[in-house]
Amino acid sequence: EAQVTQNPRYLITVTGKKLTVTCSQNMNHEYMSWYRQDPGLGLRQIYYSMNVEVTDKGDVPEGYKVSRKEKRNFPLILESPSPNQTSLYFCASSARQNQPQHFGDGTRLSIL
Amino acid sequence: GDSVTQMEGPVTLSEEAFLTINCTYTATGYPSLFWYVQYPGEGLQLLLKATKADDKGSNKGFEATYRKETTSFHLEKGSVQVSDSAVYFCAFNYGGSQGNLIFGKGTKLSVKP
Repeated sequence: EAQVTQNPRYLITVTGKKLTVTCSQNMNHEYMSWYRQDPGLGLRQIYYSMNVEVTDKGDVPEGYKVSRKEKRNFPLILESPSPNQTSLYFCASSARQNQPQHFGDGTRLSIL
Repeated sequence: GDSVTQMEGPVTLSEEAFLTINCTYTATGYPSLFWYVQYPGEGLQLLLKATKADDKGSNKGFEATYRKETTSFHLEKGSVQVSDSAVYFCAFNYGGSQGNLIFGKGTKLSVKP
């Protein structure tokens, strides 16, 4: 089954404790992206990747890092999480950048 | 700059009512237009799309027509069901190297039996 898998689905943690949200897709897609969803703001793009070893900032990259060492994986790293990063995060992928995207089920992060 | 404006929700309808969710966009080029749907506790799923002016996208009884003259892509359904309760996002991107999706803020739809 074609899917985008995120882990964990839920996480409560504390300010400053590094965390990683994993994202994996099994569709051999070149393009992957991370979004955060906040009430009243819709989805905002954090980072995206056109292909392996190619990443670029989206609209709200501050406080986040990503890597794309393999085509299928695109982890989101919060080196020093802060409460304003409490949000619902989605990973997405598509065959090419301008193709419809497949989304994961989301990761709800709470930073205390 | 590029942006998408959707009607604010929440929208509450009775089963079998007619649905319209308005969406207008501001774009400098000729974008492809999308509607995504997010069911409770899930990620977004592509509902329908249109890639050029006057195209009509349709799926699961939903329709939207790409209106270049009014820069609009309104979502419609003739008879909604309880199972249509979800958040609906209008979005667009450009072809080629500027393909990042630009989303509206979403419209929550609740359908009552």
